[in-house]
Amino acid sequence: AQSVTQPDIHITVSEGASLELRCNYSYGATPYLFWYVQSPGQGLQLLLKYFSGDTLVQGIKGFEAEFKRSQSSFNLRKPSVHWSDAAEYFCAVGRNKLVFGAGTILRVKS
Amino acid sequence: EAGVAQSPRYKIIEKRQSVAFWCNPISGHATLYWYQQILGQGPKLLIQFQNNGVVDDSQLPKDRFSAERLKGVDSTLKIQPAKLEDSAVYLCASSLDRSVGGSLEETQYFGPGTRLLVL
Repeated sequence: AQSVTQPDIHITVSEGASLELRCNYSYGATPYLFWYVQSPGQGLQLLLKYFSGDTLVQGIKGFEAEFKRSQSSFNLRKPSVHWSDAAEYFCAVGRNKLVFGAGTILRVKS
Repeated sequence: EAGVAQSPRYKIIEKRQSVAFWCNPISGHATLYWYQQILGQGPKLLIQFQNNGVVDDSQLPKDRFSAERLKGVDSTLKIQPAKLEDSAVYLCASSLDRSVGGSLEETQYFGPGTRLLVL
């Protein structure tokens, strides 16, 4: 069965510091992987996606993620966090039927 | 390009009442999804439509939930009667599901959601 684990419920980083959000997945075939961001009271906005090819994918707002098949991971990174990045981040796997992780809430302190 | 539209944005009802949510997908998108997001959890797929046909409704509680997609465009999701545990955000998403530039474009784009509180 497909599943996604986001081990960190909350993460707090200082503005300007680097960020890494962890995502591990279980999927029977070559996965389609996604990161979405959700601000309070808003829907989900796509940050980036991996379907195939280069395992390091670039997304919007300066985010990137690396697909590591051997570790079943798709961690999200950003070199320098801005206060506006505070939100909840969801990793998802699948084609058509997406399975989401429980999310990681990012807090940014000034 | 306009995004996925949903209404209402918020709804408060008493248990055992009925409620309906509306979704207008991105123009030209063949596939429409309804997700339920309970507080503190990730979204969970309820139902998927391809044009106006149901592709997957395996996680839809059919004794109380129903959904339709008229003419393959707009969709409504109904709950009747509502229970306390139905309190959640109901998200609608759509995807093109057509080849673009040689690759199949399946990315799902989400609307702002309808926040339902059942008292």
